[in-house]
Amino acid sequence: NAGVMQNPRHLVRRRGQEARLRCSPMKGHSHVYWYRQLPEEGLKFMVYLQKENIIDESGMPKERFSAEFPKEGPSILRIQQVVRGDSAAYFCASSPGPDWDYGYTFGSGTRLTVV
Amino acid sequence: KQEVTQIPAALSVPEGENLVLNCSFTDSAIYNLQWFRQDPGKGLTSLLLIQSSQREQTSGRLNASLDKSSGRSTLYIAASQPGDSATYLCAVRPSSFRSTSYGKLTFGQGTILTVHP
Repeated sequence: NAGVMQNPRHLVRRRGQEARLRCSPMKGHSHVYWYRQLPEEGLKFMVYLQKENIIDESGMPKERFSAEFPKEGPSILRIQQVVRGDSAAYFCASSPGPDWDYGYTFGSGTRLTVV
Repeated sequence: KQEVTQIPAALSVPEGENLVLNCSFTDSAIYNLQWFRQDPGKGLTSLLLIQSSQREQTSGRLNASLDKSSGRSTLYIAASQPGDSATYLCAVRPSSFRSTSYGKLTFGQGTILTVHP
């Protein structure tokens, strides 16, 4: 039973390009959570999605960032017109439902570098 | 707003020492607390999960305690080894009837542990 899978592991983008980060939840999980870890900072919650529905996006920057979790396929975190400040590690976690008692398993993350 | 603080920020010890990492949180209304380990450039590995009703959890050489009323948790590592070198993170899940909050963990900044031979 594979864990949470994220790809790519490393992503380099030039300023102004778009970045797409993918997260495939654990089998049977329909809820996904995205976190960002900026250099020298702790992990910060970004967005919580259920399939075809955004539950809480209170941690998402208002501009350039969007997330989706379609009925089929992985969850996608999309960053348009990337800037140097977007360079960070992006992690996702998943759960079978909203009320999950057993802790969260995170993927290995995507490290985005904007040059 | 929940804030999580970890002390010390960094710790360097010789192999074999027993050590304690501290985590404090400002809002005691938590559902559970989870300790993670993060190796440089890697993802998060879950170490221990303590529910709010529990006082401690143990796994091998690791023991985590929770004092919810005082907003504190400690991670005790016995007989440390060089392979324990990593960043240790604690994260709290809020206690809320609003399901939108369930997966919204608040993380501390971490303690960077170095165990030298």
